[in-house]
Amino acid sequence: ETGVTQTPRHLVMGMTNKKSLKCEQHLGHNAMYWYKQSAKKPLELMFVYNFKEQTENNSVPSRFSPECPNSSHLFLHLHTLQPEDSALYLCASSQDGIRAGNTIYFGEGSWLTVV
Amino acid sequence: AQSVTQLGSHVSVSEGALVLLRCNYSSSVPPYLFWYVQYPNQGLQLLLKYTTGATLVKGINGFEAEFKKSETSFHLTKPSAHMSDAAEYFCAVSDQDDKIIFGKGTRLHILP
Repeated sequence: ETGVTQTPRHLVMGMTNKKSLKCEQHLGHNAMYWYKQSAKKPLELMFVYNFKEQTENNSVPSRFSPECPNSSHLFLHLHTLQPEDSALYLCASSQDGIRAGNTIYFGEGSWLTVV
Repeated sequence: AQSVTQLGSHVSVSEGALVLLRCNYSSSVPPYLFWYVQYPNQGLQLLLKYTTGATLVKGINGFEAEFKKSETSFHLTKPSAHMSDAAEYFCAVSDQDDKIIFGKGTRLHILP
């Protein structure tokens, strides 16, 4: 149990579907992150929310839409995805917002397959 | 901008042998350095981190890493490998920009 819970753990969706990934952290942290992990590629930071405000969008295509209703919850809304979007999506959180040296705590990830 | 290089995408060691996973970084300012481990079908878990102070950092599961500024390195070691150490290991660096940059990872295989 990492304190960061992601659902669903596995998702298969068609290119025309709309689905969402959910993340909840029980650590009292103020910053939350979405990362994408693909085979043979470094971990890619997608979005950062600091005290519910989006502070980072790493040139992510608009077919990925994040939502952070409060400091404990983070969603990633998915629509009209492409097969190359198939990957492990990791949610993470850190304490006291974003500061250099802060430890990032990861969830177990959501495996996404786009068919 | 900072960057991280992990030498070797795959490393194999025999059970009981020394584990050495290499990490070199570049950063324009004193860095904060991390090692994370990812077991199959799981997220990343912090092994250890260096912020300031003692350059030899001890982590969980018997791992340790030494910050060597002159070599811009932060190699991860464990004296005696165990089968349960088989996993993927990620080195990461963050600096005053508050971003954490991860290396590409090294998959550690333990041979019986």
